Amino acid sequence: EPEVTQTPSHQVTQMGQEVILRCVPISNHLYFYWYRQILGQKVEFLVSFYNNEISEKSEIFDDQFSVERPDGSNFTLKIRSTKLEDSAMYFCASTEQGGWIDTQYFGPGTRLTVL
Amino acid sequence: DQQVKQNSPSLSVQEGRISILNCDYTNSMFDYFLWYKKYPAEGPTFLISISSIKDKNEDGRFTVFLNKSAKHLSLHIVPSQPGDSAVYFCAASPYSSNTGNQFYFGTGTSLTVIP
Repeated sequence: EPEVTQTPSHQVTQMGQEVILRCVPISNHLYFYWYRQILGQKVEFLVSFYNNEISEKSEIFDDQFSVERPDGSNFTLKIRSTKLEDSAMYFCASTEQGGWIDTQYFGPGTRLTVL
Repeated sequence: DQQVKQNSPSLSVQEGRISILNCDYTNSMFDYFLWYKKYPAEGPTFLISISSIKDKNEDGRFTVFLNKSAKHLSLHIVPSQPGDSAVYFCAASPYSSNTGNQFYFGTGTSLTVIP
């Protein structure tokens, strides 16, 4: 069964460093998402992406964050200058279509630890 | 801003009995509701959904009930099995025809099914 994959599974970085989290969505999916979950808290939407541009983003997704689909398979989340509060699980998700009833399929997540 | 709430952080149920997980929401614009199951070290996995035009949706051992007037939904698992032990997230989405749509998640309920 097709699945969303994410690398790395765990990323440790120093505060102020840039990190890039990588995702490979399901191959025929067209809409891509990033969510994060701070330990013990809810899963929070960060951004959705379609046709090489951001379609929706939350207030969490400030200028420190950016997303890119550099080729036909990868979808990346970049945090330019990490802060301690960026420590969280980051989940990538994708859907075949963007309609509101379309189920989002999640990857296993990348645990980001900012020291 | 907690638009989706799961007030029970944990629930323990005997194998074979019914598990009932509850979820409340505040945004009347939500039209689509989902339950996700999450095992440790994995991403959320879609379980079952319901749109606002229905009040019940059933899939095998899993049934979701929606009470729009009370802004409440519940997930029933019957009979519960030890493999159902996981964290269950309720998620909701407002109507959006063509854009990649964000989901609002609750904080999750950790279900333990005791053999």
